[in-house]
Amino acid sequence: GAVVSQHPSRVICKSGTSVKIECRSLDFQATTMFWYRQFPKQSLMLMATSNEGSKATYEQGVEKDKFLINHASLTLSTLTVTSAHPEDSSFYICSAPTSGGDKDTQYFGPGTRLTVL
Amino acid sequence: GDSVTQMEGPVTLSEEAFLTINCTYTATGYPSLFWYVQYPGEGLQLLLKATKADDKGSNKGFEATYRKETTSFHLEKGSVQVSDSAVYFCALSVRGGNKLTFGTGTQLKVEL
Repeated sequence: GAVVSQHPSRVICKSGTSVKIECRSLDFQATTMFWYRQFPKQSLMLMATSNEGSKATYEQGVEKDKFLINHASLTLSTLTVTSAHPEDSSFYICSAPTSGGDKDTQYFGPGTRLTVL
Repeated sequence: GDSVTQMEGPVTLSEEAFLTINCTYTATGYPSLFWYVQYPGEGLQLLLKATKADDKGSNKGFEATYRKETTSFHLEKGSVQVSDSAVYFCALSVRGGNKLTFGTGTQLKVEL
């Protein structure tokens, strides 16, 4: 199956700093990628849709200036958490649908655990 | 709007027991239905899916049948193993779109 990677897998940062998380589709091209946030023992909350070559689409209640998304190429999307605070600590997961006929299926990255001190 | 409802967990079973995790959905149109599994500390993996009514998805001994009449997609396995311990998410996507709507997840613990 298709593979999606994320980097880093874990990051610890000080409050006020910015953190960049990368999401890569390793063996397929993805014009669209999705970013989710998962709180402990809860479901995934869709944050935004990353679109290659255009602006990201954010879900209601998600701050655009806080969570910057750049879809630099057909295989890379980045999420930057700007001026991170402890409440931003969470598990961030990206996903990408394949570009083939089976567009309903999405493949998820392994996630990035962000801890803001 | 679209929504997915899963049974609350955690579900604790003995090895070789029968597993059922209930999932019902509300959606406009004809959604595709999915079960994803998340092992501790990892991201989600697609377990199985069904794209139309009466389809049965199956993988690794797990099965789920798309029931349009009851708007359900219950996950079953005849004999669980300790290695099946994980969180299971039911999800849907509306045809033609890529966005997934997830249920809250059900934690499964399998004990010897």
